[in-house]
Amino acid sequence: QSALTQPASVSGSPGQSITISCTGTSSDIGSYNLVSWYQHHPGKAPKLIIFEGSRWPSGVSNRFSGSKSGNTASLTISGLQAEDEADYYCCSYAGSSTLVFGGGTKLTVL
Amino acid sequence: EVQLLESGGGLVQPGGSLRLSCAASGFTFNTYAMFWVRLAPGRGLEWVSSISGVGGSRYYADSVKGRFTVSRDNSKNILYLQMNSLRAGDTATYHCATPHCGGGDCYRPPDKWGQGTLVIVSS
Repeated sequence: QSALTQPASVSGSPGQSITISCTGTSSDIGSYNLVSWYQHHPGKAPKLIIFEGSRWPSGVSNRFSGSKSGNTASLTISGLQAEDEADYYCCSYAGSSTLVFGGGTKLTVL
Repeated sequence: EVQLLESGGGLVQPGGSLRLSCAASGFTFNTYAMFWVRLAPGRGLEWVSSISGVGGSRYYADSVKGRFTVSRDNSKNILYLQMNSLRAGDTATYHCATPHCGGGDCYRPPDKWGQGTLVIVSS
């Protein structure tokens, strides 16, 4: 049950693109196409922005995109906007009805 | 609209107990497994527990196994987390969440979340 590894922080200017990585193992990300990404503003409920690695929930901007290669998943945010400043978390199904989350990445829009 | 409303958090001394509740509405509660997930300062999100739709199957993170018990009352649409032998490391905001799938025994990463209830373990 080790946490997925994410960079602690990333930053970018409005209009730019950034990518957040999420590294797991062959027991979680590498075994299942069940990685989700969440946007979290402190004090609010986390918001699902990507599921099954690369799919968008209804109502989520396509400026958010996801991918996976081996044991690593990635979230790319294009056309950065000030409102994108938040904490971002990845999550993978880890088998046996359990989940594993990343440590979170703080996105700063400069 | 799915709504999840946690309650029961507060300040408790090390070694103490607390019971959290999560009132659910807007979906057929007994057809969904449920999760508890916590967010500790500086530590990110951590899966705590899963429970099947009918409540017969329960799963726990190693960090809480033997101390926490998840349960549900499907007649009232409420999810519970009984927390015993609390430690400073359990200090966190506790969220309930629904998996992004129905069927009662599906545990895909969460879709809907509550805003959470804060638990502080301190003397």
